[in-house]
Amino acid sequence: DSGVTQTPKHLITATGQRVTLRCSPRSGDLSVYWYQQSLDQGLQFLIQYYNGEERAKGNILERFSAQQFPDLHSELNLSSLELGDSALYFCASSVSGFGNTEAFFGQGTRLTVV
Amino acid sequence: AQKVTQAQTEISVVEKEDVTLDCVYETRDTTYYLFWYKQPPSGELVFLIRRNSFDEQNEISGRYSWNFQKSTSSFNFTITASQVVDSAVYFCALYPGRRALTFGSGTRLQVQP
Repeated sequence: DSGVTQTPKHLITATGQRVTLRCSPRSGDLSVYWYQQSLDQGLQFLIQYYNGEERAKGNILERFSAQQFPDLHSELNLSSLELGDSALYFCASSVSGFGNTEAFFGQGTRLTVV
Repeated sequence: AQKVTQAQTEISVVEKEDVTLDCVYETRDTTYYLFWYKQPPSGELVFLIRRNSFDEQNEISGRYSWNFQKSTSSFNFTITASQVVDSAVYFCALYPGRRALTFGSGTRLQVQP
């Protein structure tokens, strides 16, 4: 168990809908990262939050947004969903950056858009 | 720009064979970190190792060993006496000290009984 908790584990929704994925980081970790794993794109970095503030942005679509709350949990919001958004979404947490600690990932949320 | 290349898409071995997974990286940073992760069929990403750019010592952990060679920008992973439970996709990743991990495309390892 990595200590990073993601809910839900599976999500099936229709095109055009909006969903929210949740991530609880390991105790003491201030940084949260979101990744998308799809068959054609591999593991892509979406966004990082550090202590409530956006720290870095990767290949995140405008239809997607995220936030980190005062209790440090994070939510990834995906809207106007398309079939191509079907993927495994991972959250990772670390104390600050990945350099000073191992980076642990949650079990992922498998999103299926039908 | 950061880049991680895992040229081997899929490797199939028979149990008890040794297998090496290759990883080549590109970065202009002088300080960086390299990682290996395992993704079993169940889907989670399991952390295996983290190595910083100043430490070129090889590391061994049980049947796993890692060979870091800065001169060739490689961080290869060897599994000795492979087992069926080693079947998974293995990812090499690079962290240049900012932003986030850049992953390679992964190598699918199949260990046949």
